[in-house]
Amino acid sequence: EVQLLESGGGLVQPGGSLRVSCAASGFTFTSHAMSWVRQAPGKGLEWVSDISGSGGTTYYADSVTGRFTISRDNSKDTLYLQMNSLRAEDTAVYYCAKGRGGAAPAQYWGQGTLVTVSS
Amino acid sequence: DIQMTQSPSTLSASVGDRVTITCRASQSITIWLAWYQQKPGKAPKLLIYKASSLESGVPSRFSGSGSGTEFTLTISSLQPDDFATYYCQQYNSYLYTFGQGTKLEIK
Repeated sequence: EVQLLESGGGLVQPGGSLRVSCAASGFTFTSHAMSWVRQAPGKGLEWVSDISGSGGTTYYADSVTGRFTISRDNSKDTLYLQMNSLRAEDTAVYYCAKGRGGAAPAQYWGQGTLVTVSS
Repeated sequence: DIQMTQSPSTLSASVGDRVTITCRASQSITIWLAWYQQKPGKAPKLLIYKASSLESGVPSRFSGSGSGTEFTLTISSLQPDDFATYYCQQYNSYLYTFGQGTKLEIK
């Protein structure tokens, strides 16, 4: 059974940094691209970032480019999102998602972790 | 960037109704479109991928169609469990983008 478990969310001040993690199990982690998608309170879904299975290719939304870094540790089956220079508008539930082998970007989703940026 | 526009934003319907949600892309995305269902406080769930392929375990009352710039999600006979918010997402090219969502409400 595929499981994705996010952690690391919390309250951070504007301008601060936070790293969220996603522990994966139930599939061959290194074989699948992974995504981060976020959802601000009461708002729609926003794609944030993707990383290839090897970790060698990454993509970012314009809203986070230069501030966020996606990475993965395939030896630990874990996905990360390092978030720097955080702004109030980054407040959201952050979901990790597993791709469907190229056929779809987000087949399975974690339960999400809430990041709140506030003073 | 490719913009995705869903319509309507809100849809009121009754159990047993046939409903259709539309998603339009600002440029051609061929068939690289997915549909998701999200219930309050829960993660989204993949329903349809590659515009018309039904994800495993999803009831057959859900169907997707379209190509190029116009796509539809159809629910043939609404069930109580189907009242939720639905999102389309294009993955033809980065940056991947979602539609703004369609909230399906009970009439």
